Amino acid sequence: DVKVTQSSRYLVKRTGEKVFLECVQDMDHENMFWYRQDPGLGLRLIYFSYDVKMKEKGDIPEGYSVSREKKERFSLILESASTNQTSMYLCASTPPRGEGQETQYFGPGTRLLVL
Amino acid sequence: GEDVEQSLFLSVREGDSSVINCTYTDSSSTYLYWYKQEPGAGLQLLTYIFSNMDMKQDQRLTVLLNKKDKHLSLRIADTQTGDSAIYFCAENRGAGSYQLTFGKGTKLSVIP
Repeated sequence: DVKVTQSSRYLVKRTGEKVFLECVQDMDHENMFWYRQDPGLGLRLIYFSYDVKMKEKGDIPEGYSVSREKKERFSLILESASTNQTSMYLCASTPPRGEGQETQYFGPGTRLLVL
Repeated sequence: GEDVEQSLFLSVREGDSSVINCTYTDSSSTYLYWYKQEPGAGLQLLTYIFSNMDMKQDQRLTVLLNKKDKHLSLRIADTQTGDSAIYFCAENRGAGSYQLTFGKGTKLSVIP
């Protein structure tokens, strides 16, 4: 079974803090994604990565950065957290091309509250 | 740009069939997906359909695809209380693309 884990289920931070959200997958997946999920807005893609040290902006990258130093780990960074970044953050990964019908497998999510 | 639309709420009685509908705009999509999200959890892939198919059945789940109308539906037969969740429709952004566009989700409530 594919396993995507996220470092925290719940996180409370203060405005201006630097926040790291970690995501790890154990299936040697090449592609990894970060989304945020908000009521009435569904899932929106923040950043994604096709390989180690590679990153691409998604639909809403402003206020975020990412890091992919190892294939299994994809980190989302909020340089200076703001209250409008309070959200549920979901990480996903996909198998190598030809092995998974471009299917994304999701982690359990991190619910972040910025005060 | 790409857009995926689905109704926000659906309520059904236990034992009835549920039908969740979705429309999409990107005709270059090669895969369409249904994901399920239970309260407080991440998204779980339920099923997917390749764009050159018009139907796929998997136990209680039936996916119908009308490519001409860009309409996708998920039918759940004999709906159970454990099916209560948010269901997301998604399409990939073209052949070979790993990026998905998601709908806003349909919250299915099953009444005992």
